[in-house]
Amino acid sequence: AQTVTQSQPEMSVQEAETVTLSCTYDTSESNYYLFWYKQPPSRQMILVIRQEAYKQQNATENRFSVNFQKAAKSFSLKISDSQLGDTAMYFCAFRPNFGNEKLTFGTGTRLTIIP
Amino acid sequence: DTEVTQTPKHLVMGMTNKKSLKCEQHMGHRAMYWYKQKAKKPPELMFVYSYEKLSINESVPSRFSPECPNSSLLNLHLHALQPEDSALYLCASSQVGVRLGSYEQYFGPGTRLTVT
Repeated sequence: AQTVTQSQPEMSVQEAETVTLSCTYDTSESNYYLFWYKQPPSRQMILVIRQEAYKQQNATENRFSVNFQKAAKSFSLKISDSQLGDTAMYFCAFRPNFGNEKLTFGTGTRLTIIP
Repeated sequence: DTEVTQTPKHLVMGMTNKKSLKCEQHMGHRAMYWYKQKAKKPPELMFVYSYEKLSINESVPSRFSPECPNSSLLNLHLHALQPEDSALYLCASSQVGVRLGSYEQYFGPGTRLTVT
């Protein structure tokens, strides 16, 4: 069974600053994907970024990038030039590449961007 | 069209009522999911349908009854619920295939259910 841990329940940062959200996971799988999902207040959950475990290069999507450390089982999300619209709950999630369709979520980090 | 729609947005029901939640997607996805989400918590998986067949039931009480009438539609039938079942119910869909792990799940906005 997989576990995903997010050790920062809440974070806040000034607008335009950079913030890093932490995520660690535990698995015996060798082939898997990691995801960061964003859930803004009263709005639907959307995918921010994904990383395949076999790829050494860290994924980036505009202002969002990850620091994937496979040996350490760490998958942090960096948000650069943070904007008010980044205020949301962020969930780290794990899914093996083979097997069933289950996505394992972490407990979430509530991020607030301060104007 | 990358949208998953859910109706109703809000639902208040008594413990003796029978109601249904509806979810629809037109992205050609063959996997559909029901999640339950309590405030400030991650979504908890309830059911997964793959190719219109129930593939995962996470030991959900029988007062929740899922149904997948076709590849675009997913229902959740509710009966004799308890106040602790009050939550946000999320539907999601995704592709199914060899590279299962890579496929993004697209979430709907959810139905906020209150059981009185």
